[in-house]
Amino acid sequence: SQQGEEDPQALSIQEGENATMNCSYKTSINNLQWYRQNSGRGLVHLILIRSNEREKHSGRLRVTLDTSKKSSSLLITASRAADTASYFCATDASGANSKLTFGKGITLSVRP
Amino acid sequence: DAGVTQSPTHLIKTRGQHVTLRCSPISGHKSVSWYQQVLGQGPQFIFQYYEKEERGRGNFPDRFSARQFPNYSSELNVNALLLGDSALYLCASSRMTGGHGYTFGSGTRLTVV
Repeated sequence: SQQGEEDPQALSIQEGENATMNCSYKTSINNLQWYRQNSGRGLVHLILIRSNEREKHSGRLRVTLDTSKKSSSLLITASRAADTASYFCATDASGANSKLTFGKGITLSVRP
Repeated sequence: DAGVTQSPTHLIKTRGQHVTLRCSPISGHKSVSWYQQVLGQGPQFIFQYYEKEERGRGNFPDRFSARQFPNYSSELNVNALLLGDSALYLCASSRMTGGHGYTFGSGTRLTVV
């Protein structure tokens, strides 16, 4: 079953604009991760935010986490055509069995 | 360092057949996880192995099995293939079992006809 629900399902923006993607989840988590997937191939880890963190930055990426609302957002600033991909949030509830539970993903298209 | 390698990259099988998918983790990574990604969906957790022991199993039938070898590489086996098993199978490796990001391979695209 999918835990994360990303919003919107698809996003189309102009190069240079910012892209904001949201994720909601249902259960308590240890951390939340964002991944990118190009053309249905392997996923690339972008950023991880732990449950005791509220905001994290990595290059043009900014992720926030609100555990009270069980939601996260990923902001990509100054988008580029190369950012065109599917983006997934994944929650890690941790414990002895540390599996990632993914949402259905967001398709981002950046127009040159 | 080589990334996570998976083989084969593509595979076509007939219903009822058996398939074995292989994964080599990043050197030094002792944890390997398997995910199934059906077209248009997010990946679904199948198995996690750490130090050659099964640490987690997702909601998949017993037709799915896996193992991890002493060199930490792993195999995913699927018996009695169904059309619904057609998917991208992803392997992910990490140093520990959780609390860290995972490195994914490029996947094996399995088509069952």
